[in-house]
Amino acid sequence: AQKITQTQPGMFVQEKEAVTLDCTYDTSDQSYGLFWYKQPSSGEMIFLIYQGSYDEQNATEGRYSLNFQKARKSANLVISASQLGDSAMYFCAMREKSSGGSNYKLTFGKGTLLTVNP
Amino acid sequence: DVKVTQSSRYLVKRTGEKVFLECVQDMDHENMFWYRQDPGLGLRLIYFSYDVKMKEKGDIPEGYSVSREKKERFSLILESASTNQTSMYLCASRIGLAGGSSYEQYFGPGTRLTVT
Repeated sequence: AQKITQTQPGMFVQEKEAVTLDCTYDTSDQSYGLFWYKQPSSGEMIFLIYQGSYDEQNATEGRYSLNFQKARKSANLVISASQLGDSAMYFCAMREKSSGGSNYKLTFGKGTLLTVNP
Repeated sequence: DVKVTQSSRYLVKRTGEKVFLECVQDMDHENMFWYRQDPGLGLRLIYFSYDVKMKEKGDIPEGYSVSREKKERFSLILESASTNQTSMYLCASRIGLAGGSSYEQYFGPGTRLTVT
């Protein structure tokens, strides 16, 4: 079963508008973390934002905010005032204990391709 | 700034060849990871290492092995390359557990491997 689900393979948004990228997750752990990464066409993975399961406030980093709804197991990324440079693939990921229990690993969703139109 | 480098951006190998993908990080990170990325599948963890000579299987380890003889270097080995291993390979590193579980992974630029 998928642990991270991103239901939007592609999204379009007009420049300067806000956009929400969906992410739902599945875990039975009480302690976990959620990450969002951006991957432009050049290929590098860029960390955007982190939310811990015990954090009471939604995380924000500049134009990025994470809409964390724990009961619904969702961690949507909101980008305000979209810019042309925001066009990229966006990945949601969950931090969980590795099967060996020795460390943490990230499990990624399949990604959402965001296109910002001028 | 953390820097993660990978030995090649593009690589073309023949079926049956032994392939080495090298990854080096310069921030003294304890943890290093190898992923493969395929369209529509996202990133999938192949192997990771949490210390020198220590490794753990990820979600898709079949057909791969790894080596970590020095802290800064983590190698992915395809013992006998096959066409279904054609993919983008991404290396990442992060600080160890003592640094806190919120610390993000830093990624290298990726190696696009084609097996013909």
